[in-house]
Amino acid sequence: DIVMTQSPDSLAVSLGERAAINCKSSRTVLYNSDKRNYLAWYQQKPGQPPKLLIYWASTRESGVPDRFSGSGSGTDFTLTISSLQAEDVAIYYCQQYYTAPPHTFGQGTKVEIK
Amino acid sequence: EVQLVESGGGLAQPGGSLRLSCAASGFTFSSYNMNWVRQAPGKGPEWVAFLSSSSTTIYYADSVKGRFTVSRDNAKNSLYLQMNSLRVEDTAIYYCAREGDSGYNAYWGQGTLVTVSS
Repeated sequence: DIVMTQSPDSLAVSLGERAAINCKSSRTVLYNSDKRNYLAWYQQKPGQPPKLLIYWASTRESGVPDRFSGSGSGTDFTLTISSLQAEDVAIYYCQQYYTAPPHTFGQGTKVEIK
Repeated sequence: EVQLVESGGGLAQPGGSLRLSCAASGFTFSSYNMNWVRQAPGKGPEWVAFLSSSSTTIYYADSVKGRFTVSRDNAKNSLYLQMNSLRVEDTAIYYCAREGDSGYNAYWGQGTLVTVSS
């Protein structure tokens, strides 16, 4: 199974500042035939299910604010919040869907306000 | 609007059984692959089971293989998870999730809580 490792486990960022979350996969999630990275990012707030933010590593889901962006390729990926808002306090998870299931998740990164 | 509504959770004893249901609406259910994903208290999501749109392909997490069975009824727009031989470590919120154009989970239900305890 592909292991997904996120860093840091938590971070505190001032309002309006940039937050960056890293996700590393134990092997590539870049599919050579279509040149797509099979990597998604989710946001989860307390008491709610995860919400899809980004898929194909960098495609923003409809309705997601453009302060959220995804980057990276192969085994190393980053979710960036360009200007942190109060409503962005949440836990963020990456997930690979490169192989047949299991589609493994990272352990999560908790984002708080400094 | 896509809606996924889970039901059937509750308290079960170790070794017991539960059957979860997920009622789907707002999209053509028969066209989409579906997943069950669970989340233990204070933990991250854990994928549990995958079922293709026509039920021809099924996958299970090793942790539930041989104990859980996923199924769907496209005529009733419903997804199911039969859980047998329940263990304490199966305690979690169980979500049904609809895939997008590939294996990412584009839509999630609100979840149903399963508690396994004596």
